[in-house]
Amino acid sequence: EIVLTQSPGTLSLSPGERATLSCRASQTVRSNYLAWYQQKPGQAPRVLIYGASSRAAGIPDRFSGSGSGTDFTLTINRLEPEDFAVYYCQQYGSTPSWTFGQGTKVEIK
Amino acid sequence: EVQLVESGGDLVQPGGSLRLSCAASGITISGYSMCWVRQAPGKGLEWVSYIYSSGSVIHYADSVKGRFTISRDNAKNALYLQMNSLRDEDTAVYYCAIYHGWFDPWGQGTLVTVSS
Repeated sequence: EIVLTQSPGTLSLSPGERATLSCRASQTVRSNYLAWYQQKPGQAPRVLIYGASSRAAGIPDRFSGSGSGTDFTLTINRLEPEDFAVYYCQQYGSTPSWTFGQGTKVEIK
Repeated sequence: EVQLVESGGDLVQPGGSLRLSCAASGITISGYSMCWVRQAPGKGLEWVSYIYSSGSVIHYADSVKGRFTISRDNAKNALYLQMNSLRDEDTAVYYCAIYHGWFDPWGQGTLVTVSS
């Protein structure tokens, strides 16, 4: 099973700043099959990025994903108030054992 | 608009059983694999079970194998999760989701509480 470790656990930033979130895998994620999700309190997660760098439909271009192998990054440029939430990475390169990172909370400083 | 609506969550005693349902609208699920994912209170996300579009391939997380059974009724456009021998650690919000490798979209979730 691939273990995903996200860092930092909490990121305290101000609106307008850039957020950089890390997701490190315990082994190579095949074909960079990695997704990122955003979850707000009381809501279901929604996908932001799949295939490490492809934005899902309707996701603003201030969200971008990068990385390969075992190291992946979600970048949020110019944080908007609605971007403060918890973010999870998920790998789908090693099936049938789909795994998530433990999450990074982006909070208002 | 694609919508997934889970139901069936409840308070149940340890050792008890529960059946969750996921009703889809705005999409014909027969063309898609689907999954259940859960989230314990204040915790992260955990994949629970997967079912291929035809139902011919099924997978479970080790934590639920032998206790949970996933099924689907494509004619009713619905997904199910039969949960038996429930444990305290099964307490969570259970989400159904359409599987593409990643999960999208998700339902709003249904809360299962296992407690005496």
